[in-house]
Amino acid sequence: GQQLNQSPQSMFIQEGEDVSMNCTSSSIFNTWLWYKQDPGEGPVLLIALYKAGELTSNGRLTAQFGITRKDSFLNISASIPSDVGIYFCAGQPKEYNFNKFYFGSGTKLNVKP
Amino acid sequence: KAGVTQTPRYLIKTRGQQVTLSCSPISGHRSVSWYQQTPGQGLQFLFEYFSETQRNKGNFPGRFSGRQFSNSRSEMNVSTLELGDSALYLCASSLGLAGGFYEQYFGPGTRLTVT
Repeated sequence: GQQLNQSPQSMFIQEGEDVSMNCTSSSIFNTWLWYKQDPGEGPVLLIALYKAGELTSNGRLTAQFGITRKDSFLNISASIPSDVGIYFCAGQPKEYNFNKFYFGSGTKLNVKP
Repeated sequence: KAGVTQTPRYLIKTRGQQVTLSCSPISGHRSVSWYQQTPGQGLQFLFEYFSETQRNKGNFPGRFSGRQFSNSRSEMNVSTLELGDSALYLCASSLGLAGGFYEQYFGPGTRLTVT
């Protein structure tokens, strides 16, 4: 099946620091979604990307759809304690027109006050 | 607008039993997708329903099945439960329109424990 490589697996940072994480694939994707999941809850959609090269922001979060369509990046600026959680990327392969997404394994973010 | 709701939130079953989970999508959304989340395998796609028809399917055995009703509510059923079926089952709703935007919104999940 499709493989999405998400890195890093975990991060320990100080409050106020910026954070970067990324997802890569050997396949071309049409859509990239970024989610945050808190313990015991479902993932919450943060940002959706639909076009190669697209750069989209949501508050302190910025995500980019890679030019090759095989990767995506998420940056969090000036991290705060409530940013703690697991961040997932999800990609929709180009051969699908509808909802079939593959998920990365997640980046666990820890923020030290 | 109300979000995606899933019932029940927690369930404990015994090996060999069957279970039915329910998902109500966001009003106006016609697509419901189901995912299994485990620590070892992460989030894995089970299937997607749109307008009462299964449109996409992941690589799960036939013990996992689903259906969608005319009001877009969906159920998934797991028969002959195995210990390895213990997981968080998530449903996600979206508009599901061809050529449209594919944002998926997740419910809180149903935590299934098989003993």
